[in-house]
Amino acid sequence: KQEVTQIPAALSVPEGENLVLNCSFTDSAIYNLQWFRQDPGKGLTSLLLIQSSQREQTSGRLNASLDKSSGRSTLYIAASQPGDSATYLCAVKVSGSRLTFGEGTQLTVNP
Amino acid sequence: DAGVTQSPTHLIKTRGQQVTLRCSPKSGHDTVSWYQQALGQGPQFIFQYYEEEERQRGNFPDRFSGHQFPNYSSELNVNALLLGDSALYLCASSLGDRVKKLFFGSGTQLSVL
Repeated sequence: KQEVTQIPAALSVPEGENLVLNCSFTDSAIYNLQWFRQDPGKGLTSLLLIQSSQREQTSGRLNASLDKSSGRSTLYIAASQPGDSATYLCAVKVSGSRLTFGEGTQLTVNP
Repeated sequence: DAGVTQSPTHLIKTRGQQVTLRCSPKSGHDTVSWYQQALGQGPQFIFQYYEEEERQRGNFPDRFSGHQFPNYSSELNVNALLLGDSALYLCASSLGDRVKKLFFGSGTQLSVL
């Protein structure tokens, strides 16, 4: 059974800091890994998707890496801003369209 | 280009009642998946519909059922509601059942009293 763990559960940083969110998964037989952002009480916004054959993806200030053999992914956020405050979720796809999610990292960026 | 739309946005029910949640997929998408997200948890997969059939199902009881219509929209039905069914219910759409990327709606917040 695939299990996804995210560390830390919560993170508070001052504005401008670079930060790293961690995600680990137990079964390396994945099709892809996706990072999402969720604002309180809202749906999910896809940030980055990394296929199993890829090592990393970048979008603006965001960079996600994938090490499938070790079952790890990191989301790097450069020059954090208060608007980045949200919960960040990682999810892996093993089959079909079923995603297995971690419990998320709640990020607060203080002005 | 309309994204994934869900209705209603909020719903309050009492134990034992039945509820129906609705989802319209993103334009051009034909596959709908449903997820349950309890407070402080990650979303949990309920089931996926493709070509009007349930294709995959997560670890949810038969009280949870669904339907997909010819226009690809979908309904999630929950019978005999329990307090533990209180959660944010998210709908996601994609093109094809072997999807690369899911697009999520804003969810329906269900409270069971």
